[in-house]
Amino acid sequence: SQTIHQWPATLVQPVGSPLSLECTVEGTSNPNLYWYRQAAGRGLQLLFYSVGIGQISSEVPQNLSASRPQDRQFILSSKKLLLSDSGFYLCAWQDSYGYTFGSGTRLTVV
Amino acid sequence: GENVEQHPSTLSVQEGDSAVIKCTYSDSASNYFPWYKQELGKRPQLIIDIRSNVGEKKDQRIAVTLNKTAKHFSLHITETQPEDSAVYFCAASKGSNYQLIWGAGTKLIIKP
Repeated sequence: SQTIHQWPATLVQPVGSPLSLECTVEGTSNPNLYWYRQAAGRGLQLLFYSVGIGQISSEVPQNLSASRPQDRQFILSSKKLLLSDSGFYLCAWQDSYGYTFGSGTRLTVV
Repeated sequence: GENVEQHPSTLSVQEGDSAVIKCTYSDSASNYFPWYKQELGKRPQLIIDIRSNVGEKKDQRIAVTLNKTAKHFSLHITETQPEDSAVYFCAASKGSNYQLIWGAGTKLIIKP
């Protein structure tokens, strides 16, 4: 069966520090993968999506970047975090039609 | 491109009553309409979906209706219970190779 793993669950980082969030999928090949961010009490903001290795589309210009070094691995990064980067980060893979989300990473930038 | 609008943003109902959340979409080519439930601090999870070849789908206390002509779809929850309290998101897409376009979410509050 297909599963999606996302870590870490929570993260507290100082302003200006780097960031790396990882998402891996098992049980499927060549999935469409997505990174979303959710501010407290708000909706789902699409950050990046990928349809294959090395293929990244950015939806919102900002200080974040994404990479897909392997078919089932999707990484969200930043070189220097801002206070406004705080939020709940969700990875998702597209299961034919709908999405299955990872358990999320709650990032607090202090 | 597709645009999905969701109403209301907050809905408060008495326990045992019904709740209805409505979404409209703009792209007539959209043919898949899922609903997700997100409990506080958790990930969104699919609760029900409908494809454009049917007008209604039911799963116990949850139902979704689709009006392709008017380009709107609705989530109906009957006999609401405290555990139904959550944020509900609607979405639309044109198929398996297309992204989901999301509504802004509805916070459902069930009053005891």
